[in-house]
Amino acid sequence: AQTVTQSQPEMSVQEAETVTLSCTYDTSENNYYLFWYKQPPSRQMILVIRQEAYKQQNATENRFSVNFQKAAKSFSLKISDSQLGDTAMYFCAFMKPMDSNYQLIWGAGTKLIIKP
Amino acid sequence: GAGVSQSPSNKVTEKGKDVELRCDPISGHTALYWYRQSLGQGLEFLIYFQGNSAPDKSGLPSDRFSAERTGGSVSTLTIQRTQQEDSAVYLCASSLLRGSEQYFGPGTRLTVT
Repeated sequence: AQTVTQSQPEMSVQEAETVTLSCTYDTSENNYYLFWYKQPPSRQMILVIRQEAYKQQNATENRFSVNFQKAAKSFSLKISDSQLGDTAMYFCAFMKPMDSNYQLIWGAGTKLIIKP
Repeated sequence: GAGVSQSPSNKVTEKGKDVELRCDPISGHTALYWYRQSLGQGLEFLIYFQGNSAPDKSGLPSDRFSAERTGGSVSTLTIQRTQQEDSAVYLCASSLLRGSEQYFGPGTRLTVT
């Protein structure tokens, strides 16, 4: 069974700093997707970034980028020039395509606080 | 266009009562998921609907939980004889196709007293 581990329950940085959230996963699959979702206090789960395992190039979305290390089964999220609006819970998730239900397997989350 | 909507936003119920939670997916999305998020936890998969196929109920924690999706659109999650451990945020997500990006609703916070 696949598992996703986020080892940092909470992190806090100053506005404009760069912060990296860690995520590791365990799977025997070769083809899969990885995601980072953001959940602000409004509870709305928002997709931040997505990575296909077959792609060697790390995904980027504006200030958000990932460091995908397939052999190490590591998928960290880097937020550059952090903003107050980045304060939220961040969840790492794994999906095994061609699975019967495409369910997302979730980490426990990291609470990120951006301080002014 | 409108996103995924869920109602009610919050629900407080007494132990032993039945509750119904509603999810309106994005129009045209064929896949619909229910997840449960307990305090300080990640999301736990409950059930998956895909088109007119039989739902995947493998994540439902007990037979007190059931869900249906009418006309391939609106879905209702029903919890019978609620227990305190059912207290959680219940999130619904839909996606255009199997395996495509899942869009989430704002969730229903259920509190069982």
